[in-house]
Amino acid sequence: DAGITQSPRYKITETGRQVTLMCHQTWSHSYMFWYRQDLGHGLRLIYYSAAADITDKGEVPDGYVVSRSKTENFPLTLESATRSQTSVYFCASSEGLASQETQYFGPGTRLLVL
Amino acid sequence: DAKTTQPTSMDCAEGRAANLPCNHSTISGNEYVYWYRQIHSQGPQYIIHGLKNNETNEMASLIITEDRKSSTLILPHATLRDTAVYYCIPFQGGSEKLVFGKGTKLTVNP
Repeated sequence: DAGITQSPRYKITETGRQVTLMCHQTWSHSYMFWYRQDLGHGLRLIYYSAAADITDKGEVPDGYVVSRSKTENFPLTLESATRSQTSVYFCASSEGLASQETQYFGPGTRLLVL
Repeated sequence: DAKTTQPTSMDCAEGRAANLPCNHSTISGNEYVYWYRQIHSQGPQYIIHGLKNNETNEMASLIITEDRKSSTLILPHATLRDTAVYYCIPFQGGSEKLVFGKGTKLTVNP
């Protein structure tokens, strides 16, 4: 089915471990985004990508790494997970950044860092 | 980015219209007003957007005041599945992120 998917949907890891969250979209959208959602903070942008091999930081990038070797995939890696990275992570995509471009969100990955 | 003010919470009876207000008095001329919602444990879902004119789609209607300082999202016949947090977001495009505020938690009661 077409759309945007995330995997895993749930993940438990330990402090210091590396973990990668996957995001895949089938629309061939140019732009992809990673947000995190925490109680009291709403959604905050971590990283975004305008196209394959083009990425840029959002407002909370520290502790995260992204890559975009293919248009349809945008993995997010926590190189050394910390408890403060326990959160719900949402991936989104859009065709572009024009005024009428809508962002479409995935179902989210719930990450618990022990 | 324009700031928005929305009620923290609202209630609506099932089958009735839900009218969700949003103040965005600092919106700039080229910013659209977007509405998203987030049902519990799901990703945000696009609802509707507009610039100056009122808009309607299969999900909702959007009424924007003439001075564009406020807008109202209307769900004409609310159902229990419309219970969610609704976000009003001025968005210019050319910027890289949607800024989600606290939104309005709408509870549709049977």
